[in-house]
Amino acid sequence: NAGVTQTPKFQVLKTGQSMTLQCAQDMNHEYMSWYRQDPGMGLRLIHYSVGAGITDQGEVPNGYNVSRSTTEDFPLRLLSAAPSQTSVYFCASSYNQGFSYGYTFGSGTRLTVV
Amino acid sequence: GNSVTQMEGPVTLSEEAFLTINCTYTATGYPSLFWYVQYPGEGLQLLLKATKADDKGSNKGFEATYRKETTSFHLEKGSVQVSDSAVYFCALSPPRGNRDDKIIFGKGTRLHILP
Repeated sequence: NAGVTQTPKFQVLKTGQSMTLQCAQDMNHEYMSWYRQDPGMGLRLIHYSVGAGITDQGEVPNGYNVSRSTTEDFPLRLLSAAPSQTSVYFCASSYNQGFSYGYTFGSGTRLTVV
Repeated sequence: GNSVTQMEGPVTLSEEAFLTINCTYTATGYPSLFWYVQYPGEGLQLLLKATKADDKGSNKGFEATYRKETTSFHLEKGSVQVSDSAVYFCALSPPRGNRDDKIIFGKGTRLHILP
Protein backbone atom coordinates (compact mmCIF):
# COMPACT_ATOMS: atom_id res chain seq x y z
CA ASN A 1 0.00 0.00 0.00
CA ALA A 2 1.24 3.45 -0.90
CA GLY A 3 2.15 5.61 2.03
CA VAL A 4 4.82 6.66 4.51
CA THR A 5 6.65 3.91 6.40
CA GLN A 6 8.52 4.62 9.61
CA THR A 7 10.81 2.23 11.45
CA PRO A 8 11.21 1.31 14.23
CA LYS A 9 7.83 1.81 15.96
CA PHE A 10 9.37 1.80 19.43
CA GLN A 11 12.91 2.42 20.65
CA VAL A 12 14.63 2.82 24.01
CA LEU A 13 18.05 4.49 24.04
CA LYS A 14 20.53 5.28 26.73
CA THR A 15 21.76 8.85 27.10
CA GLY A 16 24.60 9.48 24.68
CA GLN A 17 23.73 6.73 22.23
CA SER A 18 23.08 7.54 18.58
CA MET A 19 20.48 6.11 16.27
CA THR A 20 18.69 6.68 12.98
CA LEU A 21 14.93 6.83 12.54
CA GLN A 22 13.97 5.64 9.10
CA CYS A 23 11.29 7.14 6.86
CA ALA A 24 10.39 5.99 3.37
CA GLN A 25 7.57 6.97 1.01
CA ASP A 26 6.52 5.40 -2.28
CA MET A 27 4.32 8.20 -3.63
CA ASN A 28 7.09 10.14 -5.42
CA HIS A 29 6.53 13.06 -3.08
CA GLU A 30 9.05 15.88 -3.34
CA TYR A 31 8.47 17.26 0.14
CA MET A 32 9.32 15.33 3.31
CA SER A 33 9.53 16.46 6.90
CA TRP A 34 10.09 15.31 10.47
CA TYR A 35 7.98 16.40 13.45
CA ARG A 36 8.10 15.61 17.11
CA GLN A 37 4.96 15.46 19.22
CA ASP A 38 5.06 16.17 22.93
CA PRO A 39 2.16 16.53 25.40
CA GLY A 40 0.85 20.09 25.44
CA MET A 41 3.26 21.18 22.69
CA GLY A 42 1.47 19.96 19.60
CA LEU A 43 3.63 19.17 16.58
CA ARG A 44 6.99 20.83 16.16
CA LEU A 45 8.92 20.76 12.91
CA ILE A 46 12.49 19.42 13.20
CA HIS A 47 13.82 19.34 9.63
CA TYR A 48 12.34 19.25 6.16
CA SER A 49 13.36 18.64 2.56
CA VAL A 50 11.90 20.00 -0.67
CA GLY A 51 13.68 17.44 -2.83
CA ALA A 52 16.64 15.09 -3.08
CA GLY A 53 19.82 16.80 -1.96
CA ILE A 54 18.00 19.71 -0.30
CA THR A 55 17.30 19.96 3.42
CA ASP A 56 16.54 22.79 5.81
CA GLN A 57 15.98 23.34 9.50
CA GLY A 58 12.62 23.64 11.14
CA GLU A 59 11.62 24.93 14.54
CA VAL A 60 13.63 22.55 16.76
CA PRO A 61 16.63 21.19 14.80
CA ASN A 62 19.26 21.00 17.56
CA GLY A 63 20.52 17.48 18.23
CA TYR A 64 19.19 16.09 14.95
CA ASN A 65 20.68 15.61 11.48
CA VAL A 66 19.01 14.71 8.21
CA SER A 67 20.00 13.92 4.64
CA ARG A 68 18.02 13.28 1.47
CA SER A 69 20.00 11.26 -1.03
CA THR A 70 16.91 9.83 -2.77
CA THR A 71 13.35 11.01 -3.29
CA GLU A 72 12.02 8.05 -1.30
CA ASP A 73 14.05 8.18 1.92
CA PHE A 74 14.50 10.82 4.61
CA PRO A 75 16.29 9.43 7.69
CA LEU A 76 16.54 11.37 10.95
CA ARG A 77 19.71 10.91 12.98
CA LEU A 78 20.06 11.53 16.69
CA LEU A 79 23.73 12.23 17.27
CA SER A 80 23.91 11.86 21.07
CA ALA A 81 20.54 11.07 22.61
CA ALA A 82 19.32 13.11 25.57
CA PRO A 83 16.27 12.58 27.83
CA SER A 84 14.78 15.78 26.33
CA GLN A 85 14.51 13.91 23.03
CA THR A 86 12.01 11.45 24.50
CA SER A 87 9.03 11.97 22.21
CA VAL A 88 6.93 10.57 19.42
CA TYR A 89 8.43 11.29 16.01
CA PHE A 90 6.39 11.56 12.83
CA CYS A 91 7.55 11.69 9.25
CA ALA A 92 5.27 13.40 6.74
CA SER A 93 5.40 13.85 2.98
CA SER A 94 3.56 15.83 0.34
CA TYR A 95 3.45 16.25 -3.40
CA ASN A 96 4.08 19.98 -3.42
CA GLN A 97 5.01 21.16 0.09
CA GLY A 98 1.39 20.63 1.07
CA PHE A 99 0.03 23.84 -0.36
CA SER A 100 -3.29 22.35 -1.31
CA TYR A 101 -2.89 18.59 -0.84
CA GLY A 102 -1.97 18.36 2.82
CA TYR A 103 0.50 15.89 4.25
CA THR A 104 0.59 12.09 4.46
CA PHE A 105 1.92 10.99 7.84
CA GLY A 106 3.67 7.84 8.95
CA SER A 107 2.45 5.96 12.03
CA GLY A 108 5.24 7.30 14.22
CA THR A 109 8.25 6.18 16.25
CA ARG A 110 7.93 6.32 20.01
CA LEU A 111 11.39 7.05 21.43
CA THR A 112 12.38 6.90 25.09
CA VAL A 113 15.81 8.09 26.21
CA VAL A 114 16.85 6.94 29.69
CA GLY B 1 3.46 35.52 10.82
CA ASN B 2 1.00 32.73 10.08
CA SER B 3 -0.64 30.96 13.01
CA VAL B 4 -3.50 28.66 13.99
CA THR B 5 -5.44 28.79 17.25
CA GLN B 6 -7.85 26.06 18.25
CA MET B 7 -9.89 25.50 21.35
CA GLU B 8 -8.18 23.67 24.15
CA GLY B 9 -9.49 20.35 25.29
CA PRO B 10 -10.33 17.93 26.38
CA VAL B 11 -13.84 18.12 25.03
CA THR B 12 -16.19 15.50 26.49
CA LEU B 13 -19.56 14.77 24.91
CA SER B 14 -22.17 12.07 25.04
CA GLU B 15 -22.81 9.88 22.01
CA GLU B 16 -25.13 11.52 19.43
CA ALA B 17 -24.34 15.03 20.69
CA PHE B 18 -23.50 17.91 18.34
CA LEU B 19 -19.81 18.72 18.05
CA THR B 20 -18.07 22.01 17.36
CA ILE B 21 -14.31 22.48 17.64
CA ASN B 22 -13.30 26.07 17.01
CA CYS B 23 -10.34 27.05 14.87
CA THR B 24 -9.19 30.52 13.86
CA TYR B 25 -6.16 31.50 11.85
CA THR B 26 -3.87 34.38 11.02
CA ALA B 27 -2.39 34.48 7.54
CA THR B 28 -1.74 36.80 4.65
CA GLY B 29 -3.54 36.08 1.44
CA TYR B 30 -5.61 32.95 0.98
CA PRO B 31 -4.19 29.90 2.76
CA SER B 32 -5.47 26.36 2.39
CA LEU B 33 -7.09 25.00 5.55
CA PHE B 34 -7.13 21.46 6.90
CA TRP B 35 -8.44 19.31 9.71
CA TYR B 36 -6.42 16.26 10.71
CA VAL B 37 -7.44 13.49 13.11
CA GLN B 38 -5.15 11.34 15.23
CA TYR B 39 -6.51 8.14 16.74
CA PRO B 40 -4.70 6.62 19.73
CA GLY B 41 -1.31 5.18 18.82
CA GLU B 42 -1.51 6.32 15.20
CA GLY B 43 -0.23 9.10 12.97
CA LEU B 44 -2.27 12.05 11.77
CA GLN B 45 -4.77 11.47 8.97
CA LEU B 46 -6.18 14.17 6.74
CA LEU B 47 -9.88 14.48 7.61
CA LEU B 48 -10.98 17.31 5.32
CA LYS B 49 -9.70 20.43 3.61
CA ALA B 50 -10.77 23.66 1.93
CA THR B 51 -8.61 25.64 -0.44
CA LYS B 52 -10.57 28.86 -1.00
CA ALA B 53 -13.00 31.14 0.80
CA ASP B 54 -16.55 29.79 1.32
CA ASP B 55 -15.46 26.24 0.41
CA LYS B 56 -16.91 23.52 2.62
CA GLY B 57 -14.80 20.47 3.32
CA SER B 58 -16.60 17.30 4.44
CA ASN B 59 -15.76 13.70 5.28
CA LYS B 60 -17.18 10.95 7.56
CA GLY B 61 -20.00 13.26 8.70
CA PHE B 62 -17.62 16.07 9.67
CA GLU B 63 -17.82 19.49 8.01
CA ALA B 64 -15.89 22.75 8.10
CA THR B 65 -16.45 25.96 6.13
CA TYR B 66 -13.64 28.34 5.15
CA ARG B 67 -14.77 31.76 6.47
CA LYS B 68 -12.47 34.49 5.26
CA GLU B 69 -14.43 37.27 6.98
CA THR B 70 -14.00 35.70 10.42
CA THR B 71 -10.72 33.87 9.62
CA SER B 72 -12.24 30.66 10.93
CA PHE B 73 -12.52 26.99 9.99
CA HIS B 74 -14.63 25.40 12.73
CA LEU B 75 -15.12 21.63 12.68
CA GLU B 76 -18.68 20.34 13.17
CA LYS B 77 -20.48 17.02 13.31
CA GLY B 78 -24.16 16.57 13.90
CA SER B 79 -24.08 13.31 15.88
CA VAL B 80 -20.82 12.02 17.31
CA GLN B 81 -19.98 8.39 17.97
CA VAL B 82 -17.65 6.75 20.47
CA SER B 83 -15.37 5.92 17.54
CA ASP B 84 -14.82 9.68 16.96
CA SER B 85 -12.76 9.88 20.15
CA ALA B 86 -9.40 11.18 18.99
CA VAL B 87 -7.23 14.30 18.83
CA TYR B 88 -8.17 16.82 16.13
CA PHE B 89 -5.69 19.27 14.62
CA CYS B 90 -6.51 22.37 12.61
CA ALA B 91 -3.82 23.41 10.14
CA LEU B 92 -3.10 25.94 7.42
CA SER B 93 -0.87 25.97 4.39
CA PRO B 94 0.25 29.45 3.33
CA PRO B 95 -0.26 30.52 -0.27
CA ARG B 96 2.50 29.44 -2.64
CA GLY B 97 5.33 31.94 -2.61
CA ASN B 98 4.76 32.92 1.00
CA ARG B 99 8.00 32.95 2.97
CA ASP B 100 6.59 30.64 5.63
CA ASP B 101 6.00 27.85 3.16
CA LYS B 102 5.16 25.01 5.54
CA ILE B 103 1.94 23.65 7.00
CA ILE B 104 1.28 25.17 10.41
CA PHE B 105 -0.61 23.08 12.97
CA GLY B 106 -2.70 24.06 15.94
CA LYS B 107 -1.94 22.35 19.25
CA GLY B 108 -4.73 19.83 18.92
CA THR B 109 -8.04 19.25 20.71
CA ARG B 110 -8.66 15.94 22.45
CA LEU B 111 -12.23 14.67 22.06
CA HIS B 112 -13.79 12.08 24.38
CA ILE B 113 -17.17 10.60 23.47
CA LEU B 114 -19.04 8.81 26.25
CA PRO B 115 -21.39 5.92 25.38
